[in-house]
Amino acid sequence: NAGVTQTPKFQVLKTGQSMTLQCAQDMNHNSMYWYRQDPGMGLRLIYYSASEGTTDKGEVPNGYNVSRLNKREFSLRLESAAPSQTSVYFCASSESPPGVGRDEQFFGPGTRLTVL
Amino acid sequence: RKEVEQDPGPFNVPEGATVAFNCTYSNSASQSFFWYRQDCRKEPKLLMSVYSSGNEDGRFTAQLNRASQYISLLIRDSKLSDSATYLCVVQTQSKLTFGTGTRLQVTL
Repeated sequence: NAGVTQTPKFQVLKTGQSMTLQCAQDMNHNSMYWYRQDPGMGLRLIYYSASEGTTDKGEVPNGYNVSRLNKREFSLRLESAAPSQTSVYFCASSESPPGVGRDEQFFGPGTRLTVL
Repeated sequence: RKEVEQDPGPFNVPEGATVAFNCTYSNSASQSFFWYRQDCRKEPKLLMSVYSSGNEDGRFTAQLNRASQYISLLIRDSKLSDSATYLCVVQTQSKLTFGTGTRLQVTL
């Protein structure tokens, strides 16, 4: 099992460009998440999908959109990238939705995004 | 006050030492607590959950103090491979809040 995979690993964008970060999990998990990690800020939730067909905003959703394509895949789109979106982006998945039990979240290896 | 606060460190300790980290949280309604480990430029991975009665996993011991709203992680007999950043994670209803992490460097 590959666990959680993310593409690309690195990306450099110019301000105003758009891109989609891809995430897939092969653990048959119901819930998936997108986080960003910035120095001194901790991981912050951007969007999550508690189950296939649903998506919800997290703490920092502005400037992003998501699509839960199917149970395996959850993509994050930046429509018009800004320098403030320079960050490391992690996708994660868990068996149950957040707040249900003590389910571990499994993280992908991350995407390092720089917006110039 | 931050929802979850950790001393960023770094904690520099020799191999074999015992080291302890604390983490404080602000919401008394928080119900679940975890320690994640994150190696440099890698993804976070669950180290252990923290139970009310305290729990141990090999050289690692986690404790919860609800009255004072903090959790702790004790590492005994530190190994070089323990060098990492340790993230405190607090669950409040459906929300997980990650601390900024405490960096541990174990040296020869």
